[in-house]
Amino acid sequence: DAKTTQPTSMDCAEGRAANLPCNHSTISGNEYVYWYRQIHSQGPQYIIHGLKNNETNEMASLIITEDRKSSTLILPHATLRDTAVYYCIVRVPHTGGTASKLTFGTGTRLQVTL
Amino acid sequence: GAVVSQHPSWVICKSGTSVKIECRSLDFQATTMFWYRQFPKQSLMLMATSNEGSKATYEQGVEKDKFLINHASLTLSTLTVTSAHPEDSSFYICSARDINQRGLTDTQYFGPGTRLTVL
Repeated sequence: DAKTTQPTSMDCAEGRAANLPCNHSTISGNEYVYWYRQIHSQGPQYIIHGLKNNETNEMASLIITEDRKSSTLILPHATLRDTAVYYCIVRVPHTGGTASKLTFGTGTRLQVTL
Repeated sequence: GAVVSQHPSWVICKSGTSVKIECRSLDFQATTMFWYRQFPKQSLMLMATSNEGSKATYEQGVEKDKFLINHASLTLSTLTVTSAHPEDSSFYICSARDINQRGLTDTQYFGPGTRLTVL
């Protein structure tokens, strides 16, 4: 799986958009970008994933550059509950009954403030 | 959405005893479940891959005789920490993927974690 680089920490004011960058310059053609987050003392939570097109769901938007070497997770209106560690993971998904493992880096600690 | 539960949510035990942690997929079936460990202020580290009906696959450096994994059904995997010592105190988290998940999503859903404290 390709390695990712994320800033160690970021701050965001409540109500503003939080833009979390991730570099994955060695990503290969069949690897997807996944984002998970972990709120303190809880298990990680899936947010979104994509291959090359931008993706949006009820939680966030994922913007992937055309060369796929980097991406940005956008939380459009951050709230205090979004304070968490955000992990960007690049991997090849498995089809069928088995699943491929997730390798977590250090992630970005997002602090949403009043 | 897919829900994964863990039991217990926390446990305190004496050194030398064994502790069993259960991981259940509540509304889906999972051929594969994963077990992670997380020490304070560190990231999640994969310990092993639990496969229904077969032996678990352990990551390098994880003792299979100390961390026993059983995946007896498509909705239950257990992790037993045998002869626990204080250095085994950690946050243990499991994850699972819906066997019927469509397309190339391969999304894993995580349990809430079990905090183990060994005295």
